[in-house]
Parts: sequence; structure tokens; C-alpha cells
Amino acid sequence: DAGITQSPRHKVTETGTPVTLRCHQTENHRYMYWYRQDPGHGLRLIHYSYGVKDTDKGEVSDGYSVSRSKTEDFLLTLESATSSQTSVYFCATQSSGQNYEQYFGPGTRLTVT
Amino acid sequence: AQSVTQLDSQVPVFEEAPVELRCNYSSSVSVYLFWYVQYPNQGLQLLLKYLSGSTLVESINGFEAEFNKSQTSFHLRKPSVHISDTAEYFCAVSPHSGGYQKVTFGTGTKLQVIP
Repeated sequence: DAGITQSPRHKVTETGTPVTLRCHQTENHRYMYWYRQDPGHGLRLIHYSYGVKDTDKGEVSDGYSVSRSKTEDFLLTLESATSSQTSVYFCATQSSGQNYEQYFGPGTRLTVT
Repeated sequence: AQSVTQLDSQVPVFEEAPVELRCNYSSSVSVYLFWYVQYPNQGLQLLLKYLSGSTLVESINGFEAEFNKSQTSFHLRKPSVHISDTAEYFCAVSPHSGGYQKVTFGTGTKLQVIP
């Protein structure tokens, strides 16, 4: 296992409130990713990071922001949660080597009411 | 741009029977190919991958997949499934590049193994 934890594992929040999800890794992997998983859509990339303070948008980045101040931590923030952001969120990491495998955390189930 | 198609959202199969999970992709550049498995209430984990070389790749638990460039397919097969294979399987592709991997996932196929 790549030692990836996510917190919280479950959260229920109200529309309009800010929410921050945390991903923590112990493998010193360079690349980190945030995905959301929804039925019928598979996994879709929200944001990714290619180093400390280096981040970029994925295909479904609207309404989300990220920060990476340390190699081991990658935060995902919903500035003002909406019901359409109800989903399961997965963090993943990848080393800078050539195996191209992504390692996934256990997920955070977020419900926006 | 790239896309992945998994036509079967659910595949029921009896224990010890063979199974094939289909995956087709579209890409304007050469790609790496992956199969990930997700057990209930867990994250995804890599099952097998094709990067280069032999087009037939195998996993440690008896799954195999064959890269077919002409048919742009990467179907997953197992000759005899076990109850423990019940999970959701995702096919994924990423373009040949170093570093950051822009991975595109399929919508997943739920394999249900029936006792």
C-alpha cells in the first residue's frame, strides 16, 4: 500500500457551506490527484499537482480549488458546496518513476443537502 | 483527446465460469492501458497494465488482458472466476508521456460472481 489516507471519510454538509477534504501520503510521491466518482461517469479528474505549490485543473474543476503546501498533503476545497457536488472523492498519488501506477486513497463520501 | 468505452455496466457470471470484460478506447496518440479494480467501499487498485512489449499482460490473481492496437481494445479475461472477484473493474488509458499522467477512466463494469 502507498500509505494514502483521506479525511474525513464521511461528511454531510449544507448547501453554501465551505468544505475541505484532506489527502495525506507517506510515500513521497511527486504527483497527486483529486477525482470524483459518480454512477455512470466513472472517475473524473478535478485537479492535480505535480509538486509543492504546483497545481492545475482537471476536467471538472469548476467550484473546486486545491492547495499543496507540503509534499505529503493535498487539500481539496469546495468554496460553497452545491448538491451537484454530492459524490465520492478519491485522492491518488503517483511516483515520478516509470511504472505509471496511481495509488488511491479509501475515498470520502460527501453529501450536500 | 482520449476516451474509454466499457459497454457492459454489469456482468453476472457463475462461479468457476470464464468471464470477459470489454474495453475499447480512442486516442490520437499512443497510450498506456490499465485495468483497475475497486472492491466495495474501497479505493481503486491496479490490476494490470500495458506499457510496451508483449501485448498479453497478466495479473497475479489469474486475470489477463490483451492489447489489440488494430481494434483499439484491451479486454480483460479470466478463465475461472471466484466469489472474491466480485468487484467493479475500470479500464483506463493515458497518453505516452513522462511524469504526470492524464488518465481517462471508463465508466466501470460491475462483475457479480454468482455461487
